[in-house]
Amino acid sequence: KNEVEQSPQNLTAQEGEFITINCSYSVGISALHWLQQHPGGGIVSLFMLSSGKKKHGRLIATINIQEKHSSLHITASHPRDSAVYICAVESNTDKLIFGTGTRLQVFP
Amino acid sequence: AAGVIQSPRHLIKEKRETATLKCYPIPRHDTVYWYQQGPGQDPQFLISFYEKMQSDKGSIPDRFSAQQFSDYHSELNMSSLELGDSALYFCASSFPGHYGYTFGSGTRLTVV
Repeated sequence: KNEVEQSPQNLTAQEGEFITINCSYSVGISALHWLQQHPGGGIVSLFMLSSGKKKHGRLIATINIQEKHSSLHITASHPRDSAVYICAVESNTDKLIFGTGTRLQVFP
Repeated sequence: AAGVIQSPRHLIKEKRETATLKCYPIPRHDTVYWYQQGPGQDPQFLISFYEKMQSDKGSIPDRFSAQQFSDYHSELNMSSLELGDSALYFCASSFPGHYGYTFGSGTRLTVV
């Protein structure tokens, strides 16, 4: 079992839909990152969380430390949101552990 | 705010050539981590440096070497390139004891 699990692995949506991507982890962490990667592109850091909730534009990230779970929400999704979204946690031993990513496709 | 800078953004090399990738951490970060992400694969940890010394080693091939310089920037040197080395190489920096990796956007290496 991976220490960081994401669901779903693949997600398709129609433009305008509300999207949720989930991340569960089994290790103690000091922080959690949500990263975005467009096809053929580099890494874009979306959020770093250690508690609560953060919002940036149409993106919202939440984390529940007790339940070891985080969600990334996209409101009013757009085709340009199509990308791979990666959850990565900083373990208490300073190691970075990546989830396997969620491939999102938003169709017009 | 300054971010982690990687150069070049894209690089095309032929088999058996060498390549040097650079990573400039954000100010006050003294730890640099290198990752390799092949097409459709999860990122793989290669190597990390703290205060100019290697601090951890992952799945870095013997053909690769890396170092961290006095200004804390790091270089990943890759020799005898193989087609399978084609990947996104990204680095991250941090300050020990303070959570928060900061990621570079990566260098996309294509070996032809």
